[in-house]
Amino acid sequence: GQNIDQPTEMTATEGAIVQINCTYQTSGFNGLFWYQQHAGEAPTFLSYNVLDGLEEKGRFSSFLSRSKGYSYLLLKELQMKDSASYLCAVRGGDGGFKTIFGAGTRLFVKA
Amino acid sequence: DVKVTQSSRYLVKRTGEKVFLECVQDMDHENMFWYRQDPGLGLRLIYFSYDVKMKEKGDIPEGYSVSREKKERFSLILESASTNQTSMYLCASRGGAGGAETQYFGPGTRLLVL
Repeated sequence: GQNIDQPTEMTATEGAIVQINCTYQTSGFNGLFWYQQHAGEAPTFLSYNVLDGLEEKGRFSSFLSRSKGYSYLLLKELQMKDSASYLCAVRGGDGGFKTIFGAGTRLFVKA
Repeated sequence: DVKVTQSSRYLVKRTGEKVFLECVQDMDHENMFWYRQDPGLGLRLIYFSYDVKMKEKGDIPEGYSVSREKKERFSLILESASTNQTSMYLCASRGGAGGAETQYFGPGTRLLVL
């Protein structure tokens, strides 16, 4: 079957670095997305990886290893506003129409 | 900026009622999606559409139907609402089928079925 696993919750301190892991098993692979979702709001796009390696975008970086079915989202210089859920999502091989989402990781940033 | 709007933020309906959830996007996107989001389960795909009048079942289509008469509008229909359809419903649109095209989400409709 198809499955995406990520931790349910994480807590980190303002100013610190946090890494949110995601492992996936899907039928086909056309890219991996990370989304941020604040409580009561819509998910918003953070990053996209289709090749192995690290993609850096400001305070956020995302890493992909296709052979291991593994990705992580790295958040640096954490701010209180980073408290949100982070969703890992994989676009499958069915013509790329479907995207499978993980249940999300709730990140709490404390002062 | 892409804008995806949904007709209601909150809805309360009774069991057995017919429910319409409307979604409109303003970026001429071909692909539109309906998801439901439940705690611990993440987003699950109900239906998607890759063109006007075209629809495909997602992972959990039972109890739902959809309509796409115009490119910008994708409607989700609950023919006879049941309590297990209480959920957050998210609509999304996307411009292309491949590459780095992300989905853009609407604000969501929180539906309570009593």
